[in-house]
Amino acid sequence: QSVLTQPPSASGTPGQRVTISCSGSRSNIGRNTVNWYQQLPGTAPKLLIYRNNQRPSGVPDRFSGSKSGTSASLAISGLQSEDEADYYCAAWDDSLNGEVFGGGTKLTVL
Amino acid sequence: EVQLVESGGGLVQPGGSLRLSCAASGFTFSSYWMSWVRQAPGKGLEWVANIKEDGSEKNYVDSVKGRFTISRDNAKNSLYLQMNSLRVEDTAVYYCARDGFNGWDKDDWGQGTLVTVSS
Repeated sequence: QSVLTQPPSASGTPGQRVTISCSGSRSNIGRNTVNWYQQLPGTAPKLLIYRNNQRPSGVPDRFSGSKSGTSASLAISGLQSEDEADYYCAAWDDSLNGEVFGGGTKLTVL
Repeated sequence: EVQLVESGGGLVQPGGSLRLSCAASGFTFSSYWMSWVRQAPGKGLEWVANIKEDGSEKNYVDSVKGRFTISRDNAKNSLYLQMNSLRVEDTAVYYCARDGFNGWDKDDWGQGTLVTVSS
């Protein structure tokens, strides 16, 4: 069981907007920033969002992140077939003195 | 271009040892924290350990404390993970990742190396 809680699956049709939630606690999301990763099938993870809502260069602005209290969310607008992947949230946990990941959300584009 | 290339994975019996390496290039290796992250077959990501730029600080997930040791050689631009007393549950793809400057963001990852612990 992961320290950060994500829904195991999400889905949408092309062009739709989908959101993926990530729930934590005061010791992780409550005190530290959240990062999001995208993992396409058979590949290494890729940084998608850092510091809650910042996009690395090259990441489309269709991807956005937000954080409130001990929860965070990733939103994908204008859904495309190439967005079909696993998405993970992550944050440092001050109590565990280590990084924690969510269990991952498998996004299906219908 | 940043490159991280892991090596050293393979099949090992329970209780055995293995040493993973990660060769870094394309950036000033000695200026970055580095991490190991693993992914068991069909499962999610799990952070394993990280190490400060100069090697003076190291952190581990509880499940590997006392068994795994992270280290680095800045002269060789290399990161290592010494894994002892391996268990079946350590079976995973192990990724080397660079920690950026923005709250533990892992802005570059290697392709991973598979470690299989089985009798």
